[in-house]
Amino acid sequence: GAVVSQHPSWVICKSGTSVKIECRSLDFQATTMFWYRQFPKQSLMLMATSNEGSKATYEQGVEKDKFLINHASLTLSTLTVTSAHPEDSSFYICSARVPSVGLKTQYFGPGTRLLVL
Amino acid sequence: AQKVTQAQTEISVVEKEDVTLDCVYETRDTTYYLFWYKQPPSGELVFLIRRNSFDEQNEISGRYSWNFQKSTSSFNFTITASQVVDSAVYFCALSASGGSYIPTFGRGTSLIVHP
Repeated sequence: GAVVSQHPSWVICKSGTSVKIECRSLDFQATTMFWYRQFPKQSLMLMATSNEGSKATYEQGVEKDKFLINHASLTLSTLTVTSAHPEDSSFYICSARVPSVGLKTQYFGPGTRLLVL
Repeated sequence: AQKVTQAQTEISVVEKEDVTLDCVYETRDTTYYLFWYKQPPSGELVFLIRRNSFDEQNEISGRYSWNFQKSTSSFNFTITASQVVDSAVYFCALSASGGSYIPTFGRGTSLIVHP
């Protein structure tokens, strides 16, 4: 089946630094990827939709200059948390649609835990 | 607008008990899809089931069963003879054409199965 990977799985950084998280589709080409954020004991909240070759679409309330998304190839989308602060500590999950399967199913990555000290 | 409500925040049962996780949804679309995911402590979402709005047949997969009722906008999930390994957070989600098929998740239900 379709597999989505994320790297790193864990990251700890100091406040003020930038952190890049990668999301890869391993055995399919993903024209659209999604980034979610999940705070402890809360649901997944969509942050943005990443489209290959074009600008990402951000959800209301998500700062695009804070969370930079780049989808430069059909198998890779990156999320960069710029000037991270402790309140950015969260679990970040990406997902991708498989074009051959259609719009209805997303495959989720294993997630990246970010801790900002 | 889409909305998914999982009213049960946490459920605690003893092993071998049956447990039902509730999910109520709202959407104006006539074509939509409902999902259940399991999120163990590791964090990775595990896909359990997808059901489209035109198929109200209940489904059973081993100890898992799902009851879809459009009349009450519910898509409940039952685990029969629960096991400790079933302990996890379970999310119900809805995707519909009006939302570009991007899923909206419920808040999740934490299931704790005690030995």
